[in-house]
Amino acid sequence: DARVTQTPRHKVTEMGQEVTMRCQPILGHNTVFWYRQTMMQGLELLAYFRNRAPLDDSGMPKDRFSAEMPDATLATLKIQPSEPRDSAVYFCASGLAGRRGQETQYFGPGTRLLVL
Amino acid sequence: AQKVTQAQTEISVVEKEDVTLDCVYETRDTTYYLFWYKQPPSGELVFLIRRNSFDEQNEISGRYSWNFQKSTSSFNFTITASQVVDSAVYFCALSNAGNMLTFGGGTRLMVKP
Repeated sequence: DARVTQTPRHKVTEMGQEVTMRCQPILGHNTVFWYRQTMMQGLELLAYFRNRAPLDDSGMPKDRFSAEMPDATLATLKIQPSEPRDSAVYFCASGLAGRRGQETQYFGPGTRLLVL
Repeated sequence: AQKVTQAQTEISVVEKEDVTLDCVYETRDTTYYLFWYKQPPSGELVFLIRRNSFDEQNEISGRYSWNFQKSTSSFNFTITASQVVDSAVYFCALSNAGNMLTFGGGTRLMVKP
């Protein structure tokens, strides 16, 4: 049963600290998405990659957030320095984009981040 | 710009009742995809269904059914004979060919025993 995995599942940190979240997409999927979920904003896209290349990161605060895909099996989302307003659940999703466009996105369990 | 509206923020039913969750979307694309995801109290997002804009056939899967109507830009979700385990937040989402999901605000469904 192929699944997207995310680590850590929970993270509590202090304001100003660096936070790194990791995602392992489903093997064979070529597109990876990062979403953030908050009560106020709901689910919003931060960034996405296709074949490891960043395609859109317009939803991400550029000054403190960065997203990378060092290889096809790992995507990272980093916040430096973290702020209390970054507290949210961060979801990674993966999918397979082909000739018919983007197929279904499958979500990981999320990383619940609390910045004090 | 794309937009998904789920007007019902919260619905409460008693077990075994039928319930319909509404979803209305806006897009200028002629090819697009519609989705429903379930988020149970544990927090993960579970994929339920995907429909293509060129396929308006309704779909039934067990107690779940979906009604896609292009004329009214709606993609409604009905749960028949609801159960307590159906309690969750349900999200409708839209994507055009090749890109990211635009989510509705979600509908919290509470099924009471």
